[in-house]
Amino acid sequence: KAGVTQTPRYLIKTRGQQVTLSCSPISGHRSVSWYQQTPGQGLQFLFEYFSETQRNKGNFPGRFSGRQFSNSRSEMNVSTLELGDSALYLCASSAEMGKDIQYFGAGTRLSVL
Amino acid sequence: AQSVSQHNHHVILSEAASLELGCNYSYGGTVNLFWYVQYPGQHLQLLLKYFSGDPLVKGIKGFEAEFIKSKFSFNLRKPSVQWSDTAEYFCAVNKNGGATNKLIFGTGTLLAVQP
Repeated sequence: KAGVTQTPRYLIKTRGQQVTLSCSPISGHRSVSWYQQTPGQGLQFLFEYFSETQRNKGNFPGRFSGRQFSNSRSEMNVSTLELGDSALYLCASSAEMGKDIQYFGAGTRLSVL
Repeated sequence: AQSVSQHNHHVILSEAASLELGCNYSYGGTVNLFWYVQYPGQHLQLLLKYFSGDPLVKGIKGFEAEFIKSKFSFNLRKPSVQWSDTAEYFCAVNKNGGATNKLIFGTGTLLAVQP
């Protein structure tokens, strides 16, 4: 069974641009969560989706958004990029909500110049 | 607000030494507890989890953790570490019984095992 796939693996953008990251969950998984990992702040929850609906959102500005498609694939978008958005963005999938294990992808490394 | 504290930020051990990494959480309700590991250049992998039942849980690669409810702790242990255990270790918690998979992570502990 293939794991969680995130594309692209690396991205370089400049301030003010926008970016879209993609996540394909493990086959059969319906829940997708996104996290931001930085050296200073560690791993922080961005949002989670289940059955195409956002179920929970972390404490990030509105520039960060996401969506989930009917095949459970998810995208997150960051508009008007800032230098501080440079981070590793991780996607995790699980079969259900609540008492379940999340499996993480390798992440997308975003560098904002 | 929920929070997770990992007291050891950087640990250096020699091979065959015993390991204990501390994790304390702040949350008034029932929680699910996890330890994840991130080997150099690899993605986060689950080491072990606690949902309910026996507070001593065993995970992969000889790791175990004990949930002590009265102390809000979930410390990770391994009796004898190997060089291949060099990695960053993250403790995480989420709300048991809630319709959410949101994980609150600790800041991580970087473990370096010297051969």
